Amino acid sequence: AQSVSQHNHHVILSEAASLELGCNYSYGGTVNLFWYVQYPGQHLQLLLKYFSGDPLVKGIKGFEAEFIKSKFSFNLRKPSVQWSDTAEYFCAVNSLNQAGTALIFGKGTTLSVSS
Amino acid sequence: KAGVTQTPRYLIKTRGQQVTLSCSPISGHRSVSWYQQTPGQGLQFLFEYFSETQRNKGNFPGRFSGRQFSNSRSEMNVSTLELGDSALYLCASSDYLNTEAFFGQGTRLTVV
Repeated sequence: AQSVSQHNHHVILSEAASLELGCNYSYGGTVNLFWYVQYPGQHLQLLLKYFSGDPLVKGIKGFEAEFIKSKFSFNLRKPSVQWSDTAEYFCAVNSLNQAGTALIFGKGTTLSVSS
Repeated sequence: KAGVTQTPRYLIKTRGQQVTLSCSPISGHRSVSWYQQTPGQGLQFLFEYFSETQRNKGNFPGRFSGRQFSNSRSEMNVSTLELGDSALYLCASSDYLNTEAFFGQGTRLTVV
């Protein structure tokens, strides 16, 4: 069965620090990859997605992620975090061998940024 | 355009009762998916409907069911509620290209 693993449950950073959140998935076939963010009191929003092509994808608010197929990884990065980045971050995969948009999510990483 | 709308936002039910949650997708979206979010298990896929047909189903008991109407609105039903069904239930809609799932604010269900 597909699964997604996020290595960090809770990350605490100071403003301007660099961020990297790990995500690994287990699935042998072709997948689409996503990072979603949930700000306090708000709905899940898409940060970025990878379907094919350049493995380095850029998303909103200065976030980027790199797909490394050989490592089954899709890590999220941001060079300099802001207090407003405090949120919960979810990595998700969707199998191309399966019709539809069923997303398998990781357990999430809570990011706390202090000013 | 309007986002995904879920009603009600909050619900308190008693064990053994049943509950129906509603989701109105973004206009033009024909795919609606449902997820359960709990602190322990995180976000788990329940099922997906496309053009009134269930296209995918997660690993949940038969007490959890859903349907989709011709206008793409969807409902999910949970029968014989258990305490462990307390969760945030999220609905997401996608267009026919399935490029992105847009989520609603969710329905917070508390079972007492």
